[in-house]
Amino acid sequence: LHLQESGPGLVKPSETLSLTCTVSGDSISSSDYYWGWIRQPPGKGLEWIGFVSNAGSTYYKPSLKSRVTISVDTSRKQFSLRLSSVTAADTAVYFCATWGQLYAFDSWGRGTLVTVSP
Amino acid sequence: QSVLTQPPSASGTPGQRVTMSCSGSSSNIGGNTINWYQQLPGTAPKLLIYQNDRRPSGVPDRFSGSKSGTSGSLAIGGLQSEDEADYYCAAWDDRLNAVLFGGGTKLTVL
Repeated sequence: LHLQESGPGLVKPSETLSLTCTVSGDSISSSDYYWGWIRQPPGKGLEWIGFVSNAGSTYYKPSLKSRVTISVDTSRKQFSLRLSSVTAADTAVYFCATWGQLYAFDSWGRGTLVTVSP
Repeated sequence: QSVLTQPPSASGTPGQRVTMSCSGSSSNIGGNTINWYQQLPGTAPKLLIYQNDRRPSGVPDRFSGSKSGTSGSLAIGGLQSEDEADYYCAAWDDRLNAVLFGGGTKLTVL
């Protein structure tokens, strides 16, 4: 699988961060995957945000749950992240990744930096 | 503060064997498998070990993982300069219904 993140690199405080991950190399319709997002603030560790299955099952980090929506569009071979009411603390490199049959994140995108600033 | 605890740093000389730990609880490592990821500087993480002790194809057998109770370990044998990276453990947590990452261990090859 090849994954590529895309979206704005700069978002204003209180607005909604929206990112898309485009999938190639395998069928996004496969029931074997969960489609996920992980972020990494500058100089810090990895933080799981959540993932979604093709059946629509979603799991989110509890502390982000009220602000996060992850969805999948199989017809476009994409899945998306929306994070509302962002603050500077949401500044990070955002990675999309697949949770597959290995029960691990086995394919990763290269990541995209999103900065929250006025 | 991460629920999975890793030492912030580790070091070794070329050819040496190093180990790093990941400590959790019964709701995560105790009841589920551990995965390990390697993140080279400026790159995306890469799956190194899955289901406690299995290597994806292409990962050298110098890398090995183990789990005992609520803790896990990653060992790197025959240390090489290109192993200098950040290493993260991760596990599913049944209580939180969430994937947890450890805080990461920065490996320095002296």
